[in-house]
Formats: sequence, C-alpha cells, structure tokens
Amino acid sequence: DQQVKQNSPSLSVQEGRISILNCDYTNSMFDYFLWYKKYPAEGPTFLISISSIKDKNEDGRFTVFLNKSAKHLSLHIVPSQPGDSAVYFCAAMERTGGGADGLTFGKGTHLIIQP
Amino acid sequence: DTEVTQTPKHLVMGMTNKKSLKCEQHMGHRAMYWYKQKAKKPPELMFVYSYEKLSINESVPSRFSPECPNSSLLNLHLHALQPEDSALYLCASRLRGLAVTGELFFGEGSRLTVL
Repeated sequence: DQQVKQNSPSLSVQEGRISILNCDYTNSMFDYFLWYKKYPAEGPTFLISISSIKDKNEDGRFTVFLNKSAKHLSLHIVPSQPGDSAVYFCAAMERTGGGADGLTFGKGTHLIIQP
Repeated sequence: DTEVTQTPKHLVMGMTNKKSLKCEQHMGHRAMYWYKQKAKKPPELMFVYSYEKLSINESVPSRFSPECPNSSLLNLHLHALQPEDSALYLCASRLRGLAVTGELFFGEGSRLTVL
C-alpha cells in the first residue's frame, strides 16, 4: 500500500510557464514533507521541505503548498527552466525519536520543460 | 564539505562473488541510510544506522549485510546476490537529534549489476 502517491508519471511544461507537481499521502502521522529532484544516474538532490505546522514554504522559484485536511501537497516551479527537467520525488516522514527514520518516497514525476 | 561519497560508482559481480559498497560523509551526521532504487521506481529504504547502531532493517535478505565502522563510514557487504538485486544503491545521511529539518543528503549511488 503506497503511503505517498504521485499520480502523474510525467508532466510536460513550456519554458517560462509554471510547473505544478502534485503529491498525496495517506499516513496521517507524517509531519514533514520534502521534494527531491533526480537526474539520471545521480542521487536525489534536496529541493525544498515543509513542516506540517505550515501550509506554504517558498525558496526562490520553488514553492511547496501543504493541505493537511486533504493530505495533499504540491510543488510549484515558476518560471520553469530547461534545467528543471528531471524526475521529482515527493517524500514524507514521521519525525519521531529524534528523526532517524527514513523517508517514504512517491514514485516520482518526470518533468519535461519544452523550449 | 556537504557531500556523501559513494564508491564504487559501478560494480558488476557474479552470483558467487563477495563485494562491498562504501559510503563516507564528513558532515558530522549521525544517521546514515542505505536505499535501493530500481528503474522507474522510488528509492526504497533498506537500513538505517543511528549513532553507529543499526536501528532499522526493512526485512532485507541476509545476503545484504550493513556495517557502520564509525560515524563517517557506512558499508554494505554483498554476498551470493541474485540478478534481481541489480539496482542503484543510494547512501544518505542526516543530522540526528534535534534537527530542524528532515533533509537527507544523498550520494550519487553505486550502480550494481549482478550477472
């Protein structure tokens, strides 16, 4: 049973427009959410995170929104750039016991930025 | 130094071989992780070490044997693997304890092929 779901395997967006990547989760104990970006043959790179006590976190072109009641989060990238083409993973965790637990990842969304 | 370094980057081994994957970080992180990632799948947690002690083993077969010799090093010993164990093995680390974020720092991964 997947606890973190990214229902769009791929997304194509024109350069300069807004990219919106969606993520849903089922485990109500998750209290911290992260987005990672991954290029082929490389490890995931941390992008942005949000705690469950917030509903928005912004860092440059990247904004993450969290809707706890809907158990839904989204990553907005604006404006989208060609270098943003990658696989984006949504991840969640329960920050118990000082935080040694691992992350639960979604299946990823392949974002393609078209010129 | 904000890197997690994994060696080797690529490894090809037969089913009767014994090999090891190595991971190193010098960020003072006290939680270290092994993840396995198959093509077009999300990373899956295998092991978590917290303060050099194994804290999570996600029902991984005994042909995978983790070792944490000190706070900077994490090894994954491989023996009698199967072709289906071929995957990208990712090491990650995180600051344990009163960390503000849940961010994991990932290495670039070791691409393992079992013949």
